[in-house]
Parts: sequence; structure tokens; C-alpha cells
Amino acid sequence: QKEVEQDPGPLSVPEGAIVSLNCTYSNSAFQYFMWYRQYSRKGPELLMYTYSSGNKEDGRFTAQVDKSSKYISLFIRDSQPSDSATYLCAMSGPLGGTSYGKLTFGQGTILTVHP
Amino acid sequence: GAGVSQTPSNKVTEKGKYVELRCDPISGHTALYWYRQSLGQGPEFLIYFQGTGAADDSGLPNDRFFAVRPEGSVSTLKIQRTERGDSAVYLCASSQRGDTEQYFGPGTRLTVT
Repeated sequence: QKEVEQDPGPLSVPEGAIVSLNCTYSNSAFQYFMWYRQYSRKGPELLMYTYSSGNKEDGRFTAQVDKSSKYISLFIRDSQPSDSATYLCAMSGPLGGTSYGKLTFGQGTILTVHP
Repeated sequence: GAGVSQTPSNKVTEKGKYVELRCDPISGHTALYWYRQSLGQGPEFLIYFQGTGAADDSGLPNDRFFAVRPEGSVSTLKIQRTERGDSAVYLCASSQRGDTEQYFGPGTRLTVT
């Protein structure tokens, strides 16, 4: 079993929809949680960065972390065709730990927003 | 400012050959990371440099893989005796202090025939 599980999709939604993307993980040491967006044949682009549990909002994007359930989410409001990409969750252990800075990624979810 | 750059963008080589992949991090970033991404998968950690030294090379799959960062800036990932299973996109990332906010380059797509 992988340390980070992410449904690969694909997920197809109409423009304007609210998108929910999720990851589960098994390593309780993970403290830092990130979401990356990756367009085809490009490198991952950092979207959201969260430490420990809680919510973080940035424009149309909201990241949620529930450490008790080992579950993280990314919500995209008012989705646009330009949001069509692969979304990767990533996580890392605590500062000073052996896994700090060494990101463990999910498989990625392919999202298509159609006009 | 300029982001992370990687060269070449594409590399096709024959099985058994030696290849070098280059990464130029964001100016001022002390930490540099290499990851490998296979088709349909997320990136997998290979090695992490803090300054000139490899702080963690636990992700290198075997001794055919080696990386250097002699002056604490540009890094080169070296693969000897390439195998078809080495075909993947090799991604480089950098961060300001070795923290988890990492910024990725566009990757080098390696194809071993």
C-alpha cells in the first residue's frame, strides 16, 4: 500500500462547478501538506501549502487538512477550463525529521473542466 | 525572477549509454532536489542537496545513479549504463532554506531505446 493514495480520475466537470480533490495518507508523521498543479508536459506548480491541520484559502482555492482522519482536500470554486490539469497532493514529515523536505506525492488526479 | 531551468528538455539515448541531466535552481535557493516521474504517476524523490553536499540520497534506485552539486548552485544527475526502465521525466526542484516549499523545473524527458 502506498503512503499517499489519490484517485487518478479522470474527473470531468462543467465550467463553474465546485471541484473537490482528495488524498489519504498512512504516515502519521506527515506535517506539511501541499497541492501542485501540473499541465501536460510541464513541471508541477505549487498551488497551496499548509502546515498541520486546518483550512487555508487563496482566491478560488481552499485546502483542508484533517490529520485525525489522515485526509486532505483541495476545493476549486467557479472552475474554469484553464484549471484543466493534473492535481498532485504532496506531503512531508516534521522539521528535523528524516522525511522533512523529501516530498511524498500522490498519483495525481486528472481534471477536465469543459466549457 | 527566473525559475528552475533544466537541460536538455528531451534526451533520447540507447540502452547502455551514459547521460547527464542538468538543473539550474532559482538564484539564492540553497536546497536542490531531484525527483523522477513515470507516466501516470506522481514524482518520486531521488536525492536532496543542501549546499554542495547530498543531505539525503535514499531515493537513488541503485549505484548507476549519481548526482553532484560542486559549487552549491547547478546540479548534474548522472546515469550510467542506462536501462529502458530509466525512461521517465526527471524533475528538479529548489527551495530557499531546505523547507517543503519547493519550486519545480519543467523536467527532462529521458527515453532509453
